[in-house]
Amino acid sequence: GENVEQHPSTLSVQEGDSAVIKCTYSDSASNYFPWYKQELGKGPQLIIDIRSNVGEKKDQRIAVTLNKTAKHFSLHITETQPEDSAVYFCAAASSGTASKLTFGTGTRLQVTL
Amino acid sequence: ETGVTQTPRHLVMGMTNKKSLKCEQHLGHNAMYWYKQSAKKPLELMFVYNFKEQTENNSVPSRFSPECPNSSHLFLHLHTLQPEDSALYLCASSQDAGRDSPLHFGNGTRLTVT
Repeated sequence: GENVEQHPSTLSVQEGDSAVIKCTYSDSASNYFPWYKQELGKGPQLIIDIRSNVGEKKDQRIAVTLNKTAKHFSLHITETQPEDSAVYFCAAASSGTASKLTFGTGTRLQVTL
Repeated sequence: ETGVTQTPRHLVMGMTNKKSLKCEQHLGHNAMYWYKQSAKKPLELMFVYNFKEQTENNSVPSRFSPECPNSSHLFLHLHTLQPEDSALYLCASSQDAGRDSPLHFGNGTRLTVT
């Protein structure tokens, strides 16, 4: 089955700096890669996703890159703000199998003033 | 609001109790999920219902019993739980479990088994 590894487990950045979270996956058949943000006391919320037919996707301050050859994908947050502080999860699945998402172990991001 | 409502938010139960977790989605989705979230572990998929039919049971012990009476409601019936079952239980929904439609999570029920 799929195995997703996520690094780092914790990340502290100053407000305004960039943050990068990296994930690797094992199943070459995976082609759907969502990222979720979980704030304290809440459930995970989808923030961005990417499919294997593209190498990069951006949404304002958030971007995700995908390297299918190396089987890794990354989340980039620019100009970080205190409200970006949360736990971020990456996930991977084969197309048409949203019920079989495999999640990483999460990265706790702390944005300090 | 996420469109997925879970009750109760917190639950403390003894190992001999029977309780139920409830989930309701207002998004018009056809698939509903139960996940278990424990500290320092990946989210663990427990059950999937697609169009009211159970399509996944991820080797979950029988002390957890799901029920999906319609596409908008999902229950998790609990009985004779163990302390290691203490965790955050998350409900999610999506348009269709057989497609890449995003998961929408509720805010979870924090379960403590004493």
